[in-house]
Amino acid sequence: EAGVAQSPRYKIIEKRQSVAFWCNPISGHATLYWYQQILGQGPKLLIQFQNNGVVDDSQLPKDRFSAERLKGVDSTLKIQPAKLEDSAVYLCASTDRGGNEQYFGPGTRLTVT
Amino acid sequence: AQKVTQAQTEISVVEKEDVTLDCVYETRDTTYYLFWYKQPPSGELVFLIRRNSFDEQNEISGRYSWNFQKSTSSFNFTITASQVVDSAVYFCALIRRNAGNMLTFGGGTRLMVKP
Repeated sequence: EAGVAQSPRYKIIEKRQSVAFWCNPISGHATLYWYQQILGQGPKLLIQFQNNGVVDDSQLPKDRFSAERLKGVDSTLKIQPAKLEDSAVYLCASTDRGGNEQYFGPGTRLTVT
Repeated sequence: AQKVTQAQTEISVVEKEDVTLDCVYETRDTTYYLFWYKQPPSGELVFLIRRNSFDEQNEISGRYSWNFQKSTSSFNFTITASQVVDSAVYFCALIRRNAGNMLTFGGGTRLMVKP
């Protein structure tokens, strides 16, 4: 079974630029999560999707971050415009309906200069 | 609100030593799950264990064992006879049931096992 795929693995941009990350969850997994992990900290949930609907986006900075899940499968997370404090690893995870165990992708390491 | 605390930010041991990683959690819910994840240098979070709040039995899996004590709100993780490959950051996490499966992570403990 293929795991959660994410791309790109690394991205370096200047502040005020835009960036987008892509996630493909495990096939059949209805729930998809985006986490932000700042260096030296634990991951923090940004947004949770159930199929193509948002379940929880209370910690998503909506003035600059947006996310969508096209057709309930792949998802993209966008930052526009980026700030220095957005430098972090962005992790995508998925779980099947009713499951509690989240499977994580390798993450995208974003550096904002 | 819920919170997970891993007081040990960094631990260094010599290979073959036993090591215990501490985890203390706070939640008002009576039904929840506790997790441990391993994050090697590659960055991917690897699931290690899930424990239901109603199940306080300790668990052993090879060199890994977990001690869940509800009375002290702790879920500690012990690695016996540590190996260099155990070097990683370990995260303890909590999910409240019926709350969208939102994982709350601790700050992590970096374990360095020296040969």
